[in-house]
Amino acid sequence: KQEVTQIPAALSVPEGENLVLNCSFTDSAIYNLQWFRQDPGKGLTSLLLIQSSQREQTSGRLNASLDKSSGRSTLYIAASQPGDSATYLCAVRGGVWDQGGKLIFGQGTELSVKP
Amino acid sequence: DAGVTQSPTHLIKTRGQHVTLRCSPISGHKSVSWYQQVLGQGPQFIFQYYEKEERGRGNFPDRFSARQFPNYSSELNVNALLLGDSALYLCASSLVGSPTDTQYFGPGTRLTVL
Repeated sequence: KQEVTQIPAALSVPEGENLVLNCSFTDSAIYNLQWFRQDPGKGLTSLLLIQSSQREQTSGRLNASLDKSSGRSTLYIAASQPGDSATYLCAVRGGVWDQGGKLIFGQGTELSVKP
Repeated sequence: DAGVTQSPTHLIKTRGQHVTLRCSPISGHKSVSWYQQVLGQGPQFIFQYYEKEERGRGNFPDRFSARQFPNYSSELNVNALLLGDSALYLCASSLVGSPTDTQYFGPGTRLTVL
């Protein structure tokens, strides 16, 4: 059974700091891994999607890496800003291909960036 | 272009009642998935629909059901509500429901069961 774990559960950093969020998963048979941002009480905003054949993806100040063999992904945020404060969720896409797969989420890392 | 839309935004029900939640996917998307997010946890997969057929089902009781319409919008129905059904219900759409598609999420419906 696939399990996704995110460490740490919460993180508080001063503005301008570079930071890394970690995600681990137990079953390497995944189609892709997706990082999301969630503001309090809101839906999910997709940040980056890494297909299983890829090693990393970049978007602006965000860089996500994927190591399938070790079951790990990291989300790197450069020069953090107060507007980056949110919960960050990682999710792996696994399951049966003909059933469209399903996203399996970690519990998230709550990030607070202090001015 | 409009993103995924969900209605209503908030809903308060009492135990034993029935609820219907609605989702409209991004234009051109043919697959809709539903997730339940309890406070403080990551979302849990409930259903996926593609071309009006159920493609996948998570570990939820039969009180949960869904359907997809010819215009690809979807409804999630929950019968005999329990206190534990209180959660944020998220709908996601994707182009063809392939496991390599990106899923785009709506703002969610906050259900409170009293």
